[in-house]
Formats: sequence, C-alpha cells, structure tokens
Amino acid sequence: QKEVEQNSGPLSVPEGAIASLNCTYSDRGSQSFFWYRQYSGKSPELIMSIYSNGDKEDGRFTAQLNKASQYVSLLIRDSQPSDSATYLCAVKGSSASKIIFGSGTRLSIRP
Amino acid sequence: DTAVSQTPKYLVTQMGNDKSIKCEQNLGHDTMYWYKQDSKKFLKIMFSYNNKELIINETVPNRFSPKSPDKAHLNLHINSLELGDSAVYFCASSQRLAEYNEQFFGPGTRLTVL
Repeated sequence: QKEVEQNSGPLSVPEGAIASLNCTYSDRGSQSFFWYRQYSGKSPELIMSIYSNGDKEDGRFTAQLNKASQYVSLLIRDSQPSDSATYLCAVKGSSASKIIFGSGTRLSIRP
Repeated sequence: DTAVSQTPKYLVTQMGNDKSIKCEQNLGHDTMYWYKQDSKKFLKIMFSYNNKELIINETVPNRFSPKSPDKAHLNLHINSLELGDSAVYFCASSQRLAEYNEQFFGPGTRLTVL
C-alpha cells in the first residue's frame, strides 16, 4: 500500500462546476496535510493546509479532513480553466520530519 | 523577490559526467530539501538539512551528495551521472520550528542525461 494515494486522473470538470479531489493516507498518526498545485513545467505551489478534522475554506478552495477514515479532500468551487493543473496531496507523518507526496491528480477544466 | 532559487534551470550532460545544482532561499527558513520528480510526476524526497545538519537521507545512491554551506544554501552534487538520473530536481525550504512544516519550492532543474 502506498503511503499517500491519489487517483491519477485525468479528472475532467466543466467550467463553473465543483471539482472534487481525493487522497487517502496510511499513517494513522499523521498530523499535517497539504494540497499543492503544479502547473505543467512549473514547481509545486502550496494552496491549502489542514491540521484538524473538518473543513477549512479559503476562497474557492475547501479542504476536508477525516482522520478516522484517513482521508483528505480538496473541493474547488466555480472551477475555472486556470485551475487545470496537477494537484498533489502531501502528508506529514507521525514519526518523521519529511512530507510524503501522492502521485497527483490531473485536473482539466473544460470551457 | 525570488524566495527559493535554483541554478541551472536546465542541465544536459553525458553519462558518466559529474554535475552540481545550486539552491538558495531568502525566506529565513531553517530547513531545506531536495526532491526528485520523475517522468510520472512522482515527487520523492532525497535529502533534508536543518541548519546545515543532515536530517533526512532517503535511499539515494551515494553518487548524490548534498552540501549545505549555510542554512540559506543547499547544493546537490551528482557523480558519474546515469540515464536514470534524468528528472526534474526541486529544492524546497520550510520553517523547521514551525509546527506545520509548509514547504516552498524552487523553480526546478531539469536534468537530462544522454
């Protein structure tokens, strides 16, 4: 089992709709969770972080964390073509100072 | 102002050569990292330094040697380059003492070994 798992996609969503990206992780003691966006040929850019169960909203983005289910998700409301990118889920485990990245979900917003 | 910078941006070289990639951060962070991103976009940590001290050393061939002259710089030297070393290498930094370890990435160095 991979430490951080994501569906690779591509996930195709019409413009204006809600895009839902999911991630599961294996280390039950994980404390910190991050979503990074990576445009093609660019570096990962942090867009959301979440540390406690529940929802965290920032503009059009909402991160959701369920530690009991070892599940974290990212919702993007009113999707725009500029949201088309690969979204990387990252998890800081309980026993190490490193962050483990998932392999990313490619999101495509169609006009 | 560039927060995390890397040089060079592109590096094309022959198998067997030795090359270095440089990284600098002006965020005042304590911790710096090297990641390798392969053709399938999987981002894997290689090394991490905190205040010039090596704290993470993943299973990486010893042809790869990081060096941190000070906490704002972390360089990566690669000996005897192989075809499989072709990838994008990202440097990143974070505020180690911050509880939440958010990382900021440099622009990446695309290494092509011929």
